[in-house]
Amino acid sequence: GQQVMQIPQYQHVQEGEDFTTYCNSSTTLSNIQWYKQRPGGHPVFLIQLVKSGEVKKQKRLTFQFGEAKKNSSLHITATQTTDVGTYFCAAHSNAGGTSYGKLTFGQGTILTVHP
Amino acid sequence: EAQVTQNPRYLITVTGKKLTVTCSQNMNHEYMSWYRQDPGLGLRQIYYSMNVEVTDKGDVPEGYKVSRKEKRNFPLILESPSPNQTSLYFCASSPSGGFTGELFFGEGSRLTVL
Repeated sequence: GQQVMQIPQYQHVQEGEDFTTYCNSSTTLSNIQWYKQRPGGHPVFLIQLVKSGEVKKQKRLTFQFGEAKKNSSLHITATQTTDVGTYFCAAHSNAGGTSYGKLTFGQGTILTVHP
Repeated sequence: EAQVTQNPRYLITVTGKKLTVTCSQNMNHEYMSWYRQDPGLGLRQIYYSMNVEVTDKGDVPEGYKVSRKEKRNFPLILESPSPNQTSLYFCASSPSGGFTGELFFGEGSRLTVL
């Protein structure tokens, strides 16, 4: 089935440093979503990207969708301790029919922020 | 309050003892799905349902069953649990197929099979 590779698996930063996580697919993606899971919590939706080359910002978070719709990134500027958690990308297959319900998550990037 | 409710939140059971994890959403969402989360593997989709009486396999359906008799409920059934099904399980719902909208997740159910 479809695979979405996410790197890095872990990232440790000092508060104030920037952070980036990347997702890559060998196949073209219909869209990509990003989620954040706080320690001990459940994933919470951050954003969805649909268009080729799309860039969206939420305060210190910048999300990009590649021109070929095969990769995406989440960049956090000047991390804070509240950014701690695991960040996941998730993508739908580009195939039609029932595959639209099939959502593949990346392995996640665990972010720790040292004050 | 709009929410996805899973029960039980924690369960320790033994190999072969059938169990059901319930999932209910009060948002009138058409789409519901189940995921398991294991360290280093992220979230893997077990089954999903696009609407009532419509279910389909995700990436790791072996050893699981689901049913969607009502729009709000999507139970996950383990007919004969095995230790490799020890995991953290999440149910999620979305307004329409998850394709055009966000997934709303339940709080999770941590299952241990001895």
